[in-house]
Amino acid sequence: EVQLVQSGAEVKKPGESLTISCQVSGYSFSTYWITWVRQKPGKGLEWMGRIDPSDSYTNYNPSFQGHVTMSADNSISTAYLQWSSLKASDTAMYYCAKQIDRAFDIWGQGTMVTVSS
Amino acid sequence: QSALTQPPSASGSPGQSVTISCTETSSDVGGYKYVSWYQQHPGKAPKLLIYEVYKRPSGVPDRFSGSKSGDTASLTVSGLQAEDEADYYCMSYAGSNNFVVFGGGTKLTVL
Repeated sequence: EVQLVQSGAEVKKPGESLTISCQVSGYSFSTYWITWVRQKPGKGLEWMGRIDPSDSYTNYNPSFQGHVTMSADNSISTAYLQWSSLKASDTAMYYCAKQIDRAFDIWGQGTMVTVSS
Repeated sequence: QSALTQPPSASGSPGQSVTISCTETSSDVGGYKYVSWYQQHPGKAPKLLIYEVYKRPSGVPDRFSGSKSGDTASLTVSGLQAEDEADYYCMSYAGSNNFVVFGGGTKLTVL
């Protein structure tokens, strides 16, 4: 069974750094792109960007470029989303998803990130 | 401002059919055949319903169907059931870098 399992909820202060993870199982990690999607409380879905695990090539939504970093570790089939300096406006649910045929067919359960002083 | 416009809400009674539209409002989006649709229940992750305009992944009931005409894609839910009450999002691609865009979402209420 294909699964994407994300790390647990986080509570951070503004200015702190954070890395959340997305571990995949059930298929060859390097075969398909992993995408990240943000959903602020009560709002819609926003595409943040994608990473090709085979070579770590990334493609960021300009709205997120420079504020987050996507990476991947093939040895443990895990993708990461990282912030170096969080803002209160980063409070949201973050989803990773597997991309196939220009669609996102399998999603992680989501990681809630709360940034508050 | 999303480049894909969806009605904020839709509703129907059990057994009826409902169609949700997704209109491309940016000249940068369009002509693509990669429209997909997602269902999201409260507190849950989105689920892929339709990809490449009309294709259904295995396990998705055939009550869900997709189509596209001009600059508008549509998701039709036939034989509405209580469990269809959820938020629905369309998705497509824009620009030369194939950036992803989502519609604003439609809340479907089963009366």
